[in-house]
Amino acid sequence: DTAVSQTPKYLVTQMGNDKSIKCEQNLGHDTMYWYKQDSKKFLKIMFSYNNKELIINETVPNRFSPKSPDKAHLNLHINSLELGDSAVYFCASSQGLQKAHQPQHFGDGTRLSIL
Amino acid sequence: GQNIDQPTEMTATEGAIVQINCTYQTSGFNGLFWYQQHAGEAPTFLSYNVLDGLEEKGRFSSFLSRSKGYSYLLLKELQMKDSASYLCAVREGETGANNLFFGTGTRLTVIP
Repeated sequence: DTAVSQTPKYLVTQMGNDKSIKCEQNLGHDTMYWYKQDSKKFLKIMFSYNNKELIINETVPNRFSPKSPDKAHLNLHINSLELGDSAVYFCASSQGLQKAHQPQHFGDGTRLSIL
Repeated sequence: GQNIDQPTEMTATEGAIVQINCTYQTSGFNGLFWYQQHAGEAPTFLSYNVLDGLEEKGRFSSFLSRSKGYSYLLLKELQMKDSASYLCAVREGETGANNLFFGTGTRLTVIP
């Protein structure tokens, strides 16, 4: 009964490849997010979606393309992977834009390593 | 933009009290969260402040002063399991997206 689940947990691939990370939440939340946590443990927002609609793209290269088929899912596709993409990617969800005092719930993260 | 500062590392003794400070500058403040993150795990929610003052939750308390752009997390009766990173996150309200902007986190080590 995991609240926010991401797959895969580990992803090791070569530079130039294309890969996807999936995220699903069963909390009934309206808003979902993708974060990147680098080697210095700095957690930075990448995208936020509300009811399947993109709200914010925080200056992320267009090699990163999020897709939300429904409000319970937010997947992240990355084209032409680069060495600098190596990081832990966290998915998160929260109740909605009108309930901003509610916390975000995070998935366990996907550890992406580019060779 | 956002500028959030926390000490990088702190060490404290089991049973003691520790205060982790966070200062911020943001263009549209709309709340401050504290999260705990154990190594290799997801951040988990600890506390939320939007008005000035102290919020207490068991061994953990969080304080906010909006005029000073300052918050702290107070951990009492430290336990070994409290060794983790503590992340201060400011929610900006200008875009309506409720995005959180995180500080770099404070890695707390609790020693016997």
